[in-house]
Amino acid sequence: QVQLQESGPGLVKPSETLSLTCTVSGYFISSGYYWGWIRQSPGKGLEWIANVYHSGDTDYNPSLMSRVTISVDTSKNRFSLNLRSLTAADTAVYYCVRPFGVPAAIFDYWGQGILVTVSS
Amino acid sequence: EIVLTQSPGTLSLSPGERATLSCRASQTISRSRLAWYQQRPGQAPRLLIYGESGRAAGVPDRFRGSGSGTDFTLTISSLEPEDFAVYFCQHFGGSPPWTFGQGTKVEIK
Repeated sequence: QVQLQESGPGLVKPSETLSLTCTVSGYFISSGYYWGWIRQSPGKGLEWIANVYHSGDTDYNPSLMSRVTISVDTSKNRFSLNLRSLTAADTAVYYCVRPFGVPAAIFDYWGQGILVTVSS
Repeated sequence: EIVLTQSPGTLSLSPGERATLSCRASQTISRSRLAWYQQRPGQAPRLLIYGESGRAAGVPDRFRGSGSGTDFTLTISSLEPEDFAVYFCQHFGGSPPWTFGQGTKVEIK
């Protein structure tokens, strides 16, 4: 059974960088699949952020692309998200996900989510 | 970017009733590129239906997706207590971004 677990700060200040990590259990990232991040806020609903393949290939949401970096660490079986220049609009629950399909955009496994608040 | 508009915002029904949820796309899309998710309070979304006939593991067959062009429907044939939740449609065709509708809440009447 694939399980995903987000970790990171619950509170970050405006203009700073958010760093989140998703640790995967029950599956070796190096075996395949894309891995990704989705966030959910009252204002914008569900918003797909980015995907990364085990090889390091990436897809980004164009609306966030200039501020986002997604990366994978197969040795630790985890992947990460960095979101720069934070504003209050980035306050959301952030989910790590496993997408499948062609394109890899059907999300069958989700972490429990981590609430991130951007506030001074 | 495909914009998905779901209606109604809230659907008030009783257990055993049939639920019909609508998802309208801003342009023609293929049903093979649409998915539906369920989100219960305090939980992450859960994949229900994807593509023409895909059903995620463990999803009962009372959930059915249909539609074409710009108008798509999720039907729950007979509501069970655990079905009262928020439902989202999602488009995943072509190029990113993959987009979601704003959700329909199915509540107990």
